[in-house]
Amino acid sequence: KAGVTQTPRYLIKTRGQQVTLSCSPISGHRSVSWYQQTPGQGLQFLFEYFSETQRNKGNFPGRFSGRQFSNSRSEMNVSTLELGDSALYLCASSLTGFNTEAFFGQGTRLTVV
Amino acid sequence: AQTVTQSQPEMSVQEAETVTLSCTYDTSESDYYLFWYKQPPSRQMILVIRQEAYKQQNATENRFSVNFQKAAKSFSLKISDSQLGDAAMYFCAYRSTGTASKLTFGTGTRLQVTL
Repeated sequence: KAGVTQTPRYLIKTRGQQVTLSCSPISGHRSVSWYQQTPGQGLQFLFEYFSETQRNKGNFPGRFSGRQFSNSRSEMNVSTLELGDSALYLCASSLTGFNTEAFFGQGTRLTVV
Repeated sequence: AQTVTQSQPEMSVQEAETVTLSCTYDTSESDYYLFWYKQPPSRQMILVIRQEAYKQQNATENRFSVNFQKAAKSFSLKISDSQLGDAAMYFCAYRSTGTASKLTFGTGTRLQVTL
C-alpha cells in the first residue's frame, strides 16, 4: 500500500510569508504527527492530530498550526515565516497513535530567505 | 519530561563487522516504548527496531538487535555484519504508553560504513 506522502518536497519562501505543508497518511491511519528537524535543535514534536482533533502539542509558538480533514489528510501552516523556520518538516502516520508504529514521509524541506 | 541522549555523534564500522550505537534516556515512567530509527540521505525515517519496556527480552530484527537495560535506562543498538546500505543517521526515540503519539528523539549518530 502507498506510504505517507508529503507535498511539496521542497519549498522556498520569503521571511514574513506564510506556508502550508500537506501530509497524506497511509490509508486507514487516523493519527498524523508533525516534527521539525533542524541541525541545531534536532527532531522536535510539533503536534498530533487524531480524527480531526489536535490531541497533543509541542512547545512551538502559535505561528505553527495544523488541521486534519475527515479523510485523515493533514496540513501544517506556518505564518509570518522567520529564518529560523528553515527546516525539514516530517509527518508521521499511525493507526491510532496509541501503541502503534509510526510511519514517516520523506519530509518537506522548507527554506526561508 | 523525558530526555534521550546519544553520546556518539559519529561512528565508523568496516563492512561485515559489528558496531554498537549507544542511547540513554531519562524517565519517571515505568511503561514506555523505545525505538531506533534510521534516516538515510533520502531523509525518510525508517523504523529499525522497537522495544516495549515491560518486555525483558531484547528485541531482534535480522542483523539488528538491542541491549535494553531498564534499570540503567540504556538502550543500545547492535548492527551485525554491517553493510554499505547501513550508512545513515540513527536516532534513538522514546514514547510513553497511554498518551497521544509523541516521539522524543535523541540527537542522532551518523554511521559510516567503510570497505
